[in-house]
Amino acid sequence: EPEVTQTPSHQVTQMGQEVILRCVPISNHLYFYWYRQILGQKVEFLVSFYNNEISEKSEIFDDQFSVERPDGSNFTLKIRSTKLEDSAMYFCASSVYVNSPLHFGNGTRLTVT
Amino acid sequence: KQEVTQIPAALSVPEGENLVLNCSFTDSAIYNLQWFRQDPGKGLTSLLLIQSSQREQTSGRLNASLDKSSGRSTLYIAASQPGDSATYLCAGDETSGSRLTFGEGTQLTVNP
Repeated sequence: EPEVTQTPSHQVTQMGQEVILRCVPISNHLYFYWYRQILGQKVEFLVSFYNNEISEKSEIFDDQFSVERPDGSNFTLKIRSTKLEDSAMYFCASSVYVNSPLHFGNGTRLTVT
Repeated sequence: KQEVTQIPAALSVPEGENLVLNCSFTDSAIYNLQWFRQDPGKGLTSLLLIQSSQREQTSGRLNASLDKSSGRSTLYIAASQPGDSATYLCAGDETSGSRLTFGEGTQLTVNP
């Protein structure tokens, strides 16, 4: 069964550094998402992306965050200057249509020191 | 702002038992409702999606229902097995394709 693939599985970075989290959504999916889960907290929405533009973003998704679909397969989340509070598990998800089930990747655990 | 609550936070049952997990919303304006399973160190696996015009969905031993008027959803697991042990999350959106708001999850342990 097709899967959403995320790399790396674990990223450690120093505060103030830029990180890029990478995702390969399922190939025929049209809608792409980033969510995150801080340890012990709920899964939180960050951003949704369709037709090469952001559809919706949360209050968390400030100017330090950006997303890109640089080619036909990758979907990336960039954090320009990481903060300690950005430490979390970041999940990429995709769906075929707007009302179809979301398929999640296994996540990237980001640790900011 | 939509808030989602899941009860109980944790549940431990013997194998073979039927069980119900509960999910409630502060704002009954839910459009679609999804139930997910999360295994330790893994992503979320979609179990059931109840679309806006539906009231329930079934897949194998799982049945999910949604009562929008009361802002509640339940996930029923029949004849539970040790392999069902995981955290179960519910999440809803308020308009078609908008952000999902998640509950904190119910951690289920099924003992052999």
